[in-house]
Amino acid sequence: AQTVTQSQPEMSVQEAETVTLSCTYDTSESNYYLFWYKQPPSRQMILVIRQEAYKQQNATENRFSVNFQKAAKSFSLKISDSQLGDTAMYFCAFGHGGATNKLIFGTGTLLAVQP
Amino acid sequence: EAGVVQSPRYKIIEKKQPVAFWCNPISGHNTLYWYLQNLGQGPELLIRYENEEAVDDSQLPKDRFSAERLKGVDSTLKIQPAELGDSAVYLCASSAEGGDTQYFGPGTRLTVL
Repeated sequence: AQTVTQSQPEMSVQEAETVTLSCTYDTSESNYYLFWYKQPPSRQMILVIRQEAYKQQNATENRFSVNFQKAAKSFSLKISDSQLGDTAMYFCAFGHGGATNKLIFGTGTLLAVQP
Repeated sequence: EAGVVQSPRYKIIEKKQPVAFWCNPISGHNTLYWYLQNLGQGPELLIRYENEEAVDDSQLPKDRFSAERLKGVDSTLKIQPAELGDSAVYLCASSAEGGDTQYFGPGTRLTVL
């Protein structure tokens, strides 16, 4: 069974600084998807970034980028120029895709951006 | 384009009472998911629908939980009777046919007293 591990329960960063959130996963599959979701206090789970396992190029979305290491089964999220609005819970998720499109989530990292 | 809509946002009930949650997915999304999120945890899948068919309900506690998606659009998740341990956030998500990305609604926070 797939598992997703986020080893940092909480992190803090100063506004405008850069922070990296860690995520590791375990799977025997070769084709899958990885996601980072953000969940602010409003509880809305918002998609931050998505990575297809068969693509070697790391995904980027504006200030958000990932470091995808398939062999190491590592998928970290880097947030550049942190903003107060980035304060939220961040969840890493593994997706089977296709006919068994089920997401397996980690336990989350609570990120606090300090002014 | 409207996102996933859920109601109510909050619900407080006494134990042993029934409760129902409603979800309207993104227009055109044929796959709908219900997730349970306990405090301090990531969401866990309860049930997944492809159109009106429940294709994965292996994690749904069927003795007290039920769900339906009669016309392949809106869905309702019901708990009867509710227990104290059911206090959690219930999230609904949807994805397009063949799509790998799920989009979530704002969730319903259930408190069972």
